[in-house]
Amino acid sequence: GENVEQHPSTLSVQEGDSAVIKCTYSDSASNYFPWYKQELGKRPQLIIDIRSNVGEKKDQRIAVTLNKTAKHFSLHITETQPEDSAVYFCAASTDDKIIFGKGTRLHILP
Amino acid sequence: NAGVTQTPKFQVLKTGQSMTLQCAQDMNHEYMSWYRQDPGMGLRLIHYSVGAGITDQGEVPNGYNVSRSTTEDFPLRLLSAAPSQTSVYFCASSTSTSPGEAFFGQGTRLTVV
Repeated sequence: GENVEQHPSTLSVQEGDSAVIKCTYSDSASNYFPWYKQELGKRPQLIIDIRSNVGEKKDQRIAVTLNKTAKHFSLHITETQPEDSAVYFCAASTDDKIIFGKGTRLHILP
Repeated sequence: NAGVTQTPKFQVLKTGQSMTLQCAQDMNHEYMSWYRQDPGMGLRLIHYSVGAGITDQGEVPNGYNVSRSTTEDFPLRLLSAAPSQTSVYFCASSTSTSPGEAFFGQGTRLTVV
């Protein structure tokens, strides 16, 4: 069945450094790749997304890349700040459903 | 707009009891889904619906039933609760033009003892 693998499960970076989270997907019908951020005790919220006809997208300190041939996509956060501490989920969406990765807990160290 | 509203926020059930988790959205979204979130397991899709009268199974459907009689509502039924169903449940909705852009409810924390 459909599967989304996400690595690493935990990531600690010094404040101001960059963080990278990587995902792979299995369903070739996936055409939309959103990333969600979940703060402690809160609901997941969409932070950025990329469609299958685009290789890279940037929004301020956050960028996503997609390699559709290899079925890889990744999230890059630059100049990390304390408020970036959260759990991040990658996901792969087909025309009717979203499958999530298991999440990455990002710690920003002072 | 209230967005996606889930009730209750917290629930404790005894093994074998049944209950329904409610989910309603006021954004006229065609798509609705239920996920469960367990530590280290991410968000796993239970059931989803692309419109009123249409439902389909996700990754972990066993032990759960759904129905979609209206666009707004998508209740999740546990027929005979088991301790393995202890989890946080999220309902989400999205549009048919952006199915991956999901709006989540605030979650229901369910404990089965």
